[in-house]
Amino acid sequence: GAGVSQSPSNKVTEKGKDVELRCDPISGHTALYWYRQSLGQGLEFLIYFQGNSAPDKSGLPSDRFSAERTGGSVSTLTIQRTQQEDSAVYLCASSLARAGGHNEQFFGPGTRLTVL
Amino acid sequence: AQSVTQLDSQVPVFEEAPVELRCNYSSSVSVYLFWYVQYPNQGLQLLLKYLSGSTLVKGINGFEAEFNKSQTSFHLRKPSVHISDTAEYFCAVSETGAGSYQLTFGKGTKLSVIP
Repeated sequence: GAGVSQSPSNKVTEKGKDVELRCDPISGHTALYWYRQSLGQGLEFLIYFQGNSAPDKSGLPSDRFSAERTGGSVSTLTIQRTQQEDSAVYLCASSLARAGGHNEQFFGPGTRLTVL
Repeated sequence: AQSVTQLDSQVPVFEEAPVELRCNYSSSVSVYLFWYVQYPNQGLQLLLKYLSGSTLVKGINGFEAEFNKSQTSFHLRKPSVHISDTAEYFCAVSETGAGSYQLTFGKGTKLSVIP
């Protein structure tokens, strides 16, 4: 079956521009996560969506970052006025939402963002 | 809050030799433990997980890991590596309990298998 897909796979932008990154989760997965993978920093949690509940935005690094999830499926991560330190690979993951925290997260291939 | 430390950023090993990738965690509550693998230009794939029960867990591709609560460790091992195991490996934890979902990752260990 289809896994998590992300687009674009690579994005090069100029400092100060806005960018939108897209994630299509696995069909039927109600939980969706965004992570940022920076060189030498590992993966940082950014935001979590679960069904119709308010998202957990506690990992967003600044108010330039925002995300939405339409219809409980596709999600878009938007970065406004990009800075060079935003350069990273942005990973999306989805999971079923069983209680207990042991829900396997399935990851997409990521979007590599380069801010010049 | 929890944290994960992967003690080695890079591990070179010869093909067919054994390997151990180290992971230590810190948490004030009970945790679930995971190892993920990331092949070049791909997303993360779950190798194995510890939820409860036997402290020795077996995963895909011949990997296994042992949960040691007293040492707060979850080291990953494979008795004989292949070239195809060259990848980056991430240890991760999440809190147990209803509503827990956030994974906290270590910074990763790059495994290079030398022919």
